[in-house]
Amino acid sequence: QSALTQPASVSGSPGQSITISCTGTSSDVGGHNSVSWYQRHPGKAPKLMIYEVSHRPAGVPDRFSASKSDNTASLAISGLQAEDEADYYCSSYTSSSTLVVFGGGTKLTVL
Amino acid sequence: QVQLVQSGAEVKKPGSSVKVSCKASGGTFSSCAISWVRQAPGQGLEWMGGIIPIFGTSNYAQKFQGRVTITADESTSTAYMEVSSLRSEDSAVYYCARTPTVIANYYYYGMDVWGQGTTVTVSS
Repeated sequence: QSALTQPASVSGSPGQSITISCTGTSSDVGGHNSVSWYQRHPGKAPKLMIYEVSHRPAGVPDRFSASKSDNTASLAISGLQAEDEADYYCSSYTSSSTLVVFGGGTKLTVL
Repeated sequence: QVQLVQSGAEVKKPGSSVKVSCKASGGTFSSCAISWVRQAPGQGLEWMGGIIPIFGTSNYAQKFQGRVTITADESTSTAYMEVSSLRSEDSAVYYCARTPTVIANYYYYGMDVWGQGTTVTVSS
């Protein structure tokens, strides 16, 4: 069982908006501004989409945004496109000896 | 743009060891940390540990302490991850990934470049 809790799946139609949640504890998500989000297409390596809660690396469309409130982080995708269909993982630093924890991943289906 | 190129798939017997390499192509390790992340079939991503190559300092998730060794050769811009006493639960895809910083708590930050993954199968 993953340390961070994500919904197993979300879906949306092209052009719509969706949100993926990532719930942890005060030892990880709630206690540090360290949340990252990764996109992973089947058979590919993960791609960094968001770092330090809400920052987008160069080249990531501004349709992707993220935030955090208490122990829950959220990734929002607006204007859904077919290419957004992928698995999304959140991660965070944790003050436990694990150091970095991931969510179990959320499968985004674009209908 | 730096790329991380990992060694090929491995099939190992239980109790043996495996060493996976990760070479920076188009760049060096001079200003980054390298982490190792694995994903077992049907499981999520799991951070195993990492290293800052220019300092040679490594960190491990407690679960892997003592059974995993992460090293780096700055002269060849190659990082290595060795797992000993392999068991079937270690069958997974292993990734190396870069964090573009050399501060001690590099694991606080996101990993922006990933290797292509190395499949390790542990089977008798």
